[in-house]
Amino acid sequence: QQQVKQSPQSLIVQKGGISIINCAYENTAFDYFPWYQQFPGKGPALLIAIRPDVSEKKEGRFTISFNKSAKQFSLHIMDSQPGDSATYFCAAMGDGGATNKLIFGTGTLLAVQP
Amino acid sequence: DVKVTQSSRYLVKRTGEKVFLECVQDMDHENMFWYRQDPGLGLRLIYFSYDVKMKEKGDIPEGYSVSREKKERFSLILESASTNQTSMYLCASSLWGNGNEQFFGPGTRLTVL
Repeated sequence: QQQVKQSPQSLIVQKGGISIINCAYENTAFDYFPWYQQFPGKGPALLIAIRPDVSEKKEGRFTISFNKSAKQFSLHIMDSQPGDSATYFCAAMGDGGATNKLIFGTGTLLAVQP
Repeated sequence: DVKVTQSSRYLVKRTGEKVFLECVQDMDHENMFWYRQDPGLGLRLIYFSYDVKMKEKGDIPEGYSVSREKKERFSLILESASTNQTSMYLCASSLWGNGNEQFFGPGTRLTVL
């Protein structure tokens, strides 16, 4: 119930292509779904986040699609660039409330080939 | 600029040693977290703290303890290091409240021989 399942584990995309990473959850009490981006040698950093009251959120080339009934959400990276090569983690807010406790997926290593 | 710093980038210790990992944040955040990151397992929460001297177990607290004596500092302690604790350790902090961004430090790569 507390897991967030992420796929694929790794992804290779050509420059200019669309990268899609998927996540699924079980706990219907989750109400905040962020994506974090991690470059080698760095800590993760917040990329984009969504609440379940909307089905889509877009920031530049990054879009989260959210399907509440299916308990799934995905990250779409349009016009993927070599600089987007990183590890991406989806997450969900657990039952910690104001303690802001997150449950992370297992990560997707994205490589964008020039 | 928001900053979370960790005391070491790389650390090599022997089995059975007591290990201290230090984390400091300069954002006056209430919440602080310790994660370990392993390939294929993602980020797993070890412990977190929502106030000075307050702590709660995360998903994998066995073999670890924590200390938070000051708001800006959160320490992770390995009482008797074991080889299966070889990992990347990440510290994070956030404001109190649902949905606030967690800010991460650069991580400490710990190797236990």
